Amino acid sequence: GAVVSQHPSRVICKSGTSVKIECRSLDFQATTMFWYRQFPKQSLMLMATSNEGSKATYEQGVEKDKFLINHASLTLSTLTVTSAHPEDSSFYICSARTGYVTEAFFGQGTRLTVV
Amino acid sequence: RKEVEQDPGPFNVPEGATVAFNCTYSNSASQSFFWYRQDCRKEPKLLMSVYSSGNEDGRFTAQLNRASQYISLLIRDSKLSDSATYLCARGGSQGNLIFGKGTKLSVKP
Repeated sequence: GAVVSQHPSRVICKSGTSVKIECRSLDFQATTMFWYRQFPKQSLMLMATSNEGSKATYEQGVEKDKFLINHASLTLSTLTVTSAHPEDSSFYICSARTGYVTEAFFGQGTRLTVV
Repeated sequence: RKEVEQDPGPFNVPEGATVAFNCTYSNSASQSFFWYRQDCRKEPKLLMSVYSSGNEDGRFTAQLNRASQYISLLIRDSKLSDSATYLCARGGSQGNLIFGKGTKLSVKP
């Protein structure tokens, strides 16, 4: 199956700093990438949808200036958590799909802890 | 009513047991449904898509009931390795997935 690589898998950062998470599709061109967030014992919640070369579409309640998404190529999307706070600590996971396939493939996830 | 709702469990069953999970959804226009398996602190992995006619993959059977707006997952002959959280999901309008909170299954020896 298709492979999506997400990096880093785990990061601990100080409050106020920024963290960048990368999501790469290794063997297919991802026309669309999705960023989800999962708090403990909660469902994965969609944060934003990004299409290559255009601005991301954010879900209601997700601050676009805080969670910067860049989808500059068909194989790479990045999520930057700016000015991180402890309440941003969560499991962030990307998924990617190509327009030809309905299935979305997930990255391994990034566990962010803000201290 | 939540978009996708599941009983969080946990379901504690002995090896070899048959266990069934249900998941209800609120959007009657939904067209695609899935069951995912998520191990602790890992990404979800697709277990199976759910079709109107129902589908089976080995010990796993998924059913869709559009009239009652629920999908089900049946696991026969449970293995210790089946212990995980099972997420149901429906396809969203942007090609995204809308997940339930998951049902935790624990298979005991």
